[in-house]
Amino acid sequence: GEDVEQSLFLSVREGDSSVINCTYTDSSSTYLYWYKQEPGAGLQLLTYIFSNMDMKQDQRLTVLLNKKDKHLSLRIADTQTGDSAIYFCAEFGNYGQNFVFGPGTRLSVLP
Amino acid sequence: GAVVSQHPSRVICKSGTSVKIECRSLDFQATTMFWYRQFPKQSLMLMATSNEGSKATYEQGVEKDKFLINHASLTLSTLTVTSAHPEDSSFYICSARDAVSNQPQHFGDGTRLSIL
Repeated sequence: GEDVEQSLFLSVREGDSSVINCTYTDSSSTYLYWYKQEPGAGLQLLTYIFSNMDMKQDQRLTVLLNKKDKHLSLRIADTQTGDSAIYFCAEFGNYGQNFVFGPGTRLSVLP
Repeated sequence: GAVVSQHPSRVICKSGTSVKIECRSLDFQATTMFWYRQFPKQSLMLMATSNEGSKATYEQGVEKDKFLINHASLTLSTLTVTSAHPEDSSFYICSARDAVSNQPQHFGDGTRLSIL
């Protein structure tokens, strides 16, 4: 079945760049997403990339997609304390016509 | 931008009570809404897919009679946790997919359910 993997924790210092990695198994994925969840809140869509792209940049966020290796990454430039949250990678595949979420990466930004 | 409103944000009630959670798409029509459950420090677990005008599709292991879903209009889906017990305490999140663009999913802010 479809599976999405992420490392569970990441700590960076304020001002540094953060890179959150994700791997997925569904080769038919059409879109891949990054969501942010702050404590006690729902999920906020950060960005998404279509499977025929290999990079997308949106202000401080850069998404890189390696479709051959089924690897997705999210880079946050100049990480701020407000970026501390859980980041979920998700894929939308054609097999199940549904979103499959990774376990989430807890990003801690140290002052 | 597209917004999904979920209500209530927090519920505390006694064991045996039935609790209804609403999920509304505010500025778009959603033929499909999704209900997720999230345990502490874990990812989202899809419970069911709610289709407007038809029966919901439940994931394996989710009790249909326990978690009643109604999707009566293109902007509203409800999840009713019937005869709730402490083990039903969790964070429930809904999402909706725009019927026109079909991408991406937009999430509500979640409902924290605590059963005493």
